[in-house]
Amino acid sequence: DAGVIQSPRHEVTEMGQEVTLRCKPISGHDYLFWYRQTMMRGLELLIYFNNNVPIDDSGMPEDRFSAKMPNASFSTLKIQPSEPRDSAVYFCASSLRGLAEAFFGQGTRLTVV
Amino acid sequence: GESVGLHLPTLSVQEGDNSIINCAYSNSASDYFIWYKQESGKGPQFIIDIRSNMDKRQGQRVTVLLNKTVKHLSLQIAATQPGDSAVYFCAETDRGSTLGRLYFGRGTQLTVWP
Repeated sequence: DAGVIQSPRHEVTEMGQEVTLRCKPISGHDYLFWYRQTMMRGLELLIYFNNNVPIDDSGMPEDRFSAKMPNASFSTLKIQPSEPRDSAVYFCASSLRGLAEAFFGQGTRLTVV
Repeated sequence: GESVGLHLPTLSVQEGDNSIINCAYSNSASDYFIWYKQESGKGPQFIIDIRSNMDKRQGQRVTVLLNKTVKHLSLQIAATQPGDSAVYFCAETDRGSTLGRLYFGRGTQLTVWP
């Protein structure tokens, strides 16, 4: 298996633009997590899904952020409109057993200028 | 969420020495802990986990110790190698609460020099 695949690896966008991050979890995994990593706040859980259903989105910073999982092999994290403070590395992770041994993707480095 | 922090932000060791990375947590209800390793430009990678009913768990070259009395967690790496250079995170959760909500510490940068 190729592991968790995220795209793009790097994204530079102007403030106010819409940004869509993509994730393909490991086949067969039933949990999918979106994390954000910054120097100031470290790793933060934004939202997670179980069997394509959002379970906990309390980490989503505000209404500008939305996440979807239309099927078991694909998820998106959208920011609209983007702001400079959204600049961070966004990780997607998937797991077969919820918490234990979540496998992380390579991350998307987002820069909003 | 409850805070998870690290005593040492950086640690430098010589190749072959043992490394000890420490982590403090504040939520006394936390009952499950994980150590992750993150190499530059990559996502965190699971190393080892431990449940609160244990005080020690060993893996390959790694040992995690849990002291619930003082809410302290440590990761010991034996015979540290250059490939061990990375940022190490501890993460904790209360499995009685929302499954999936792991709280990560800030991380410790481990540098191994020859």
